[in-house]
Amino acid sequence: SQTIHQWPATLVQPVGSPLSLECTVEGTSNPNLYWYRQAAGRGLQLLFYSVGIGQISSEVPQNLSASRPQDRQFILSSKKLLLSDSGFYLCAGKFEGTEQFFGPGTRLTVL
Amino acid sequence: GEDVEQSLFLSVREGDSSVINCTYTDSSSTYLYWYKQEPGAGLQLLTYIFSNMDMKQDQRLTVLLNKKDKHLSLRIADTQTGDSAIYFCAESPNTGGFKTIFGAGTRLFVKA
Repeated sequence: SQTIHQWPATLVQPVGSPLSLECTVEGTSNPNLYWYRQAAGRGLQLLFYSVGIGQISSEVPQNLSASRPQDRQFILSSKKLLLSDSGFYLCAGKFEGTEQFFGPGTRLTVL
Repeated sequence: GEDVEQSLFLSVREGDSSVINCTYTDSSSTYLYWYKQEPGAGLQLLTYIFSNMDMKQDQRLTVLLNKKDKHLSLRIADTQTGDSAIYFCAESPNTGGFKTIFGAGTRLFVKA
């Protein structure tokens, strides 16, 4: 079965501080992995996706970056957080089927 | 371009049927999905329909697809308070096999 793990569940960070959100997956190998952001009361914005180790595609220019150091690990980072980076961050994976499986999310508040 | 649109809110009484509507633009989409998001949680796949189908039923859920009008709907029969959540419509366009395009989500309120 496919399972997406994310941590931490909640995070409060000051403006200008760094960020590292981790996502690990269980399931078949070589999944497509995704990072989404959901602003309060809004839909999903695709930030990054990865089709393999070291392969990252960015969907929107921004203050964030992503890395995939291992097949089942996907990391979202920032060197200096902005207030506008606040939101609910979701990691997702696509395995053998066409549907995406989602993690529980990380709620980030930047103060 | 690829776009998925949904109404933002729907309010129903417990026991009534809920119908959540969605329109999409990419006629090449192979699969269309409905996801459910409960407060503070990730998205959970509820059901999906293949583009060569008109209807799919799964217990209290009925999905209708009108491919000509690019219209997808989700009907929840006998709606319960536990059905209160955000429902996302999504499509997988053939043009971009890696991506799934999500709507903004419809927030369903169920009144007791």
